[in-house]
Amino acid sequence: GESVGLHLPTLSVQEGDNSIINCAYSNSASDYFIWYKQESGKGPQFIIDIRSNMDKRQGQRVTVLLNKTVKHLSLQIAATQPGDSAVYFCAERANYGGSQGNLIFGKGTKLSVKP
Amino acid sequence: DAGVIQSPRHEVTEMGQEVTLRCKPISGHDYLFWYRQTMMRGLELLIYFNNNVPIDDSGMPEDRFSAKMPNASFSTLKIQPSEPRDSAVYFCASRAGTDISYNEQFFGPGTRLTVL
Repeated sequence: GESVGLHLPTLSVQEGDNSIINCAYSNSASDYFIWYKQESGKGPQFIIDIRSNMDKRQGQRVTVLLNKTVKHLSLQIAATQPGDSAVYFCAERANYGGSQGNLIFGKGTKLSVKP
Repeated sequence: DAGVIQSPRHEVTEMGQEVTLRCKPISGHDYLFWYRQTMMRGLELLIYFNNNVPIDDSGMPEDRFSAKMPNASFSTLKIQPSEPRDSAVYFCASRAGTDISYNEQFFGPGTRLTVL
């Protein structure tokens, strides 16, 4: 079946460096993508989203890039801080059939920030 | 708003017992989702409701699982009888439905279920 997957399950970076978390998706019908951050013991928290008619979207210290040609999504975190340590999930919206509105989540990437 | 509220936060029960998880979505949100999270399978959508009506329950693992939404401010996920493999963190999420293109789901803190 179609699913969202992640290239790297774990990522360790030095405080102050930039982080890049990657995600591959296989459903070309997906039209909306979200990145979530999940800290230990908490529910996922929205970071940033992007629609399929966009290639790039920037937030505060975060940028999401979408490459529809290769079905690839990435999250860039600038000047990574210890508080960024968490598991990051990408999710795609299944825009087909009766599942419109559902999010399909990837397995997640754990980001560890070294002081 | 207090966000999505779930109770209990932790539940430990014995195999065969009935478990009921509760969720209060954000006021005004038309969609409510139940997810299960495990290390092996990640976040899995179990069921979701729109305006209190179940829309897609294809993710519900088996008949032991049932979910209800009697009104716009309350939903339950019930497991009867519970089994050790049901041990997981269960999340409830809600989102506004007025704009289908705005898809941010707000998650609750989760209920950690342990079935012995």
